[in-house]
Amino acid sequence: GAVVSQHPSRVICKSGTSVKIECRSLDFQATTMFWYRQFPKKSLMLMATSNEGSKATYEQGVEKDKFLINHASLTLSTLTVTSAHPEDSSFYICSARDWGNQETQYFGPGTRLLVL
Amino acid sequence: GDSVTQMEGPVTLSEEAFLTINCTYTATGYPSLFWYVQYPGEGLQLLLKATKADDKGSNKGFEATYRKETTSFHLEKGSVQVSDSAVYFCALNTGNQFYFGTGTSLTVIP
Repeated sequence: GAVVSQHPSRVICKSGTSVKIECRSLDFQATTMFWYRQFPKKSLMLMATSNEGSKATYEQGVEKDKFLINHASLTLSTLTVTSAHPEDSSFYICSARDWGNQETQYFGPGTRLLVL
Repeated sequence: GDSVTQMEGPVTLSEEAFLTINCTYTATGYPSLFWYVQYPGEGLQLLLKATKADDKGSNKGFEATYRKETTSFHLEKGSVQVSDSAVYFCALNTGNQFYFGTGTSLTVIP
């Protein structure tokens, strides 16, 4: 089946620094990727929709200058958390929609971010 | 608007018990319906899906039937195992966006 990877799986950083998270579709082309944030024991919150070669579409309440998204190729999207603060600590999950099967989203394993 | 409503958890069952996790949806048009499973510390994995009314999705002993008349997509398994302990998410796809339920935590005890 379709595989989506995320890197890193876990990251600890100091407050004020920036962290980049990569999301890759390994065996399919993804024109659209999604970034979610998941709080403990909560559902997924869609942060933004990332389309290859164009600007990301952010959900209401998500700061686009803080969460920078780049989707430079059909297999890679990146999320950069700029000037991270402890409240940004969370589980970030990406997903990708297969160009040939747009009904289904395939999820990455998630990235656990801890900001000290 | 479009939405998914899932039964509240947590659910605790003994091994080999019957499982039902209820899911109902509200959508315009004809969405596709999904169940995803999330094991501790991991991302979501697609468990099963159904793309039109009366379709039955099945995988690993789990089943769910797309019921348009009751706008439901309940997840069932006849005999759960300890390894089924996870959080289960119901979701719908309207073509443009996915909508997820809040998740139902399942714990299966030996």
